[in-house]
Amino acid sequence: AQKVTQAQTEISVVEKEDVTLDCVYETRDTTYYLFWYKQPPSGELVFLIRRNSFDEQNEISGRYSWNFQKSTSSFNFTITASQVVDSAVYFCALSEANTNAGKSTFGDGTTLTVKP
Amino acid sequence: DGGITQSPKYLFRKEGQNVTLSCEQNLNHDAMYWYRQDPGQGLRLIYYSQIVNDFQKGDIAEGYSVSREKKESFPLTVTSAQKNPTAFYLCASSRTGTTYYEQYFGPGTRLTVT
Repeated sequence: AQKVTQAQTEISVVEKEDVTLDCVYETRDTTYYLFWYKQPPSGELVFLIRRNSFDEQNEISGRYSWNFQKSTSSFNFTITASQVVDSAVYFCALSEANTNAGKSTFGDGTTLTVKP
Repeated sequence: DGGITQSPKYLFRKEGQNVTLSCEQNLNHDAMYWYRQDPGQGLRLIYYSQIVNDFQKGDIAEGYSVSREKKESFPLTVTSAQKNPTAFYLCASSRTGTTYYEQYFGPGTRLTVT
């Protein structure tokens, strides 16, 4: 069965600090997809990134970067020079290609608070 | 503007009443999903539909029902059989195909049952 663990329940940083949100996943499939979503206080989840299991390249998008390591089953998310607007709940999610088709399993989320 | 609409944003009901949450999308997505979110917890899948007139139970389908008569619409009924219906409900949609696509979410409906 697929499982996503976000061990950090809450993180608090001061503006301009770098912060890394951890995501560890479990799956028996060799083909799977990983996602990160942001849920601001308004409640609506916003998609940030998708990565498939065959692409271990790290990705950088502005202040955001993602580190995917199959060897440790991790897909960590780093925010550089954090800003108050980054305050939100961040979810990591996993979709398996061969089982549970079409379903994503979400972690419990990490609440990030960025203080001015 | 393409997106997902959920209405109403806040909903109050008395215990024992059924209530239907609306979800409409104009993204032309085949797949639609309903999730429940409780405070401090992640999203749990209630039902999902990959195509019109077909849907599958998710992890916590008991006490809920859905229909998918149109591609654009996927209403969720919270029945009186649902023991703890007070929660935040999120609807989502995605493309389908040979890969797995990200989901687009609506603004959510916060249901309070007393």
